[in-house]
Amino acid sequence: SQTIHQWPATLVQPVGSPLSLECTVEGTSNPNLYWYRQAAGRGLQLLFYSIGIDQISSEVPQNLSASRPQDRQFILSSKKLLLSDSGFYLCAWRPHRGTPQGTNEQFFGPGTRLTVL
Amino acid sequence: QKEVEQDPGPLSVPEGAIVSLNCTYSNSAFQYFMWYRQYSRKGPELLMYTYSSGNKEDGRFTAQVDKSSKYISLFIRDSQPSDSATYLCAMTESGGSNYKLTFGKGTLLTVNP
Repeated sequence: SQTIHQWPATLVQPVGSPLSLECTVEGTSNPNLYWYRQAAGRGLQLLFYSIGIDQISSEVPQNLSASRPQDRQFILSSKKLLLSDSGFYLCAWRPHRGTPQGTNEQFFGPGTRLTVL
Repeated sequence: QKEVEQDPGPLSVPEGAIVSLNCTYSNSAFQYFMWYRQYSRKGPELLMYTYSSGNKEDGRFTAQVDKSSKYISLFIRDSQPSDSATYLCAMTESGGSNYKLTFGKGTLLTVNP
């Protein structure tokens, strides 16, 4: 079965500090990967998605970036955090189209709660 | 008009009640419809998944899609305190390179014992 991991679970960082959040998926190959941010009252905001290694699309221009150095690893980074970066960050995966599981559901990780002070 | 509208609630019901959660949407190309349940401080978990119009039942949960009205519903029968969570609807078009889901903002449900 497939599992998705995120770490750290919680993070408190000062304004201007760097950020690195990591997501890994087990039990599947070549998944589509997603980073979302969830802020109170604002729903899920798609930040980045990736259909393969080094193939990343940005949805929202901001001071965040994403990388996919390995097939099942997705990293969210920032060089300098802003107060507005606080939120609940969720990683999700979807089976690659064309596989027997090729459907449109996304499966979410446990999330990282980031507080920028 | 937003692509997906969902009443944020909060919705409070007594244990055993039938709960109805709804979303409306504007994009007629949406073909896949999902409901996610999110407990406080946890990631969303997929609850129900339907394709095109019709009903789908899974235990106490029933998902309905009415594409002609651009309206989807999730019914919870015999609601339990453990059903207290935020429920998110999500949907997407079929085919092509569309890998993205469009989410509602979620409805907060509390089931009181």
